[in-house]
Amino acid sequence: LAKTTQPISMDSYEGQEVNITCSHNNIATNDYITWYQQFPSQGPRFIIQGYKTKVTNEVASLFIPADRKSSTLSLPRVSLSDTAVYYCLVGENNNDMRFGAGTRLTVKP
Amino acid sequence: ETGVTQTPRHLVMGMTNKKSLKCEQHLGHNAMYWYKQSAKKPLELMFVYNFKEQTENNSVPSRFSPECPNSSHLFLHLHTLQPEDSALYLCASSLRQAALNTEAFFGQGTRLTVV
Repeated sequence: LAKTTQPISMDSYEGQEVNITCSHNNIATNDYITWYQQFPSQGPRFIIQGYKTKVTNEVASLFIPADRKSSTLSLPRVSLSDTAVYYCLVGENNNDMRFGAGTRLTVKP
Repeated sequence: ETGVTQTPRHLVMGMTNKKSLKCEQHLGHNAMYWYKQSAKKPLELMFVYNFKEQTENNSVPSRFSPECPNSSHLFLHLHTLQPEDSALYLCASSLRQAALNTEAFFGQGTRLTVV
């Protein structure tokens, strides 16, 4: 199981773009990269998933370099409501649904 | 509303009690999960079920006993718990053993307090 490393915390201001990077140096060929968001006392919520290059949806973009040893979650124009913990997961199947410590993002006015 | 419903939302139990947590989903998923999240700690994966079969037991103490009677329901039976077992217990579901290229849906959790 690929181990992931993320910054423990990040601060930002409303309207800024936030980039959270996750390192996964021993990612395996069949592994996907998935990001979740969690608010206090709630279950995590899926944000985005990718295998390589770039993926974009209505809430975020995910950038994955060619070597796939890291990935960057990009949140455009954050608001106060984006304050949450963001988790990067790497794995092949659902037995790999393990969450690390995540990155606590605080958005300030 | 994620489609995954957990009951009860809050539970206070004594160390000698027996209680059960319930999770239900009607999303057509065949994989279900139990997680434990203690205060200010990461989520800990406890159990994984695929098509009602347990495929992962993350060294969970036997005082936690899961049951998956069908693909839509998952229970966590609790017996002689300790105060350190107080936590938020989260249930999730996803498509069966899909590669991780599928999203999991989480319930709102049960806030358990052991006194």
